[in-house]
Amino acid sequence: DAKTTQPPSMDCAEGRAANLPCNHSTISGNEYVYWYRQIHSQGPQYIIHGLKNNETNEMASLIITEDRKSSTLILPHATLRDTAVYYCIVRVARSGGGADGLTFGKGTHLIIQP
Amino acid sequence: KAGVTQTPRYLIKTRGQQVTLSCSPISGHRSVSWYQQTPGQGLQFLFEYFSETQRNKGNFPGRFSGRQFSNSRSEMNVSTLELGDSALYLCASSIGQYNEQFFGPGTRLTVL
Repeated sequence: DAKTTQPPSMDCAEGRAANLPCNHSTISGNEYVYWYRQIHSQGPQYIIHGLKNNETNEMASLIITEDRKSSTLILPHATLRDTAVYYCIVRVARSGGGADGLTFGKGTHLIIQP
Repeated sequence: KAGVTQTPRYLIKTRGQQVTLSCSPISGHRSVSWYQQTPGQGLQFLFEYFSETQRNKGNFPGRFSGRQFSNSRSEMNVSTLELGDSALYLCASSIGQYNEQFFGPGTRLTVL
């Protein structure tokens, strides 16, 4: 699986949009971009994933550049409860056996300021 | 729908002992993965089970093993515990092998 690069930390004011960047310049054509977050001492929480097109769900939006070498996770109206470590992961999607585990990097520690 | 459950939530053992951790996946999920999280190494993949078979394994010694039952519940076992095995052990389930994974709250193991 391709490696990702994320800033180690970011601040965002409560109520504003939080934009978390991720670089995955070596991504392959069959690799998806996944985002998870981990609130202190809890298990990681799935947020969203995508391949080429932008995606939106009730939690966030995922914007993937046309060349797929980077992406941005957007939390539209950040709250204090969004303070967490956010992980960007690229992972191949294929049928059949041999599932590789998720490779977590160090992620971005997002701190929402009141 | 109930989430992933892990038991026990906290465990204290001594060096040399062995431990078994349990994971119940979300109903209908057939894939279960295990991860170890430590402050120094972060989140690391241990192994993944699908249809009762270990499909992939991370870079951990043979002291770490697991199994999956016909109802998709999974257990992992660590034998001859070492101090460095102190960690948060996380279980994640997914419908299939490459679908999004949903994590449990983890079992915090302390080895004294």
